[in-house]
Amino acid sequence: EDKVVQSPLSLVVHEGDTVTLNCSYEVTNFRSLLWYKQEKKAPTFLFMLTSSGIEKKSGRLSSILDKKELFSILNITATQTGDSAVYLCAVAPPSGFGNEKLTFGTGTRLTIIP
Amino acid sequence: GAVVSQHPSRVICKSGTSVKIECRSLDFQATTMFWYRQFPKQSLMLMATSNEGSKATYEQGVEKDKFLINHASLTLSTLTVTSAHPEDSSFYICSARDGTLTGELFFGEGSRLTVL
Repeated sequence: EDKVVQSPLSLVVHEGDTVTLNCSYEVTNFRSLLWYKQEKKAPTFLFMLTSSGIEKKSGRLSSILDKKELFSILNITATQTGDSAVYLCAVAPPSGFGNEKLTFGTGTRLTIIP
Repeated sequence: GAVVSQHPSRVICKSGTSVKIECRSLDFQATTMFWYRQFPKQSLMLMATSNEGSKATYEQGVEKDKFLINHASLTLSTLTVTSAHPEDSSFYICSARDGTLTGELFFGEGSRLTVL
């Protein structure tokens, strides 16, 4: 059974701190790993990672994948209260284009204290 | 970017009634849509894969007769929770992928169902 595990489950930090969220996976077939941010409603897409060692950046957020260790991290620097959310990691298999099923991790609930 | 609209965003119903949730892709055609369920403080659990023009594929442990899925057109999938019970109360989210965008999945806003 495919498994995606995120740690920590929850994290509380002060505004301005840097945080690192972890995602490890055990899946039968792997194509890509995705990070999402979920606030009150639907998840919003952050990154898709397919190759090892290539960092993707978007503002204060960055992410990298290690396909050898089956691991990804999501970094957020200079955190702001708007970063408070649940961060979800998901893994996509290389099945037929357009109908790949994502396996989601448990999520990390990040709370930023002003 | 692509937009997925879900309706209603919130519904309260009595036990024993059926509730229909709609998921629409607004500016793209989606041959495949996914339905998820999310309990408080838990992750998204895939319930079923909705395929346009054919039967949905349900995940293990999801009752087909309980959660009816219809994907009648390339822009609309519906989830009907039949004979709802309080334990069906949950947050239901649909998602779809634009065929021209590899990897990015667009989510609906979600529907919070409360069964009294």
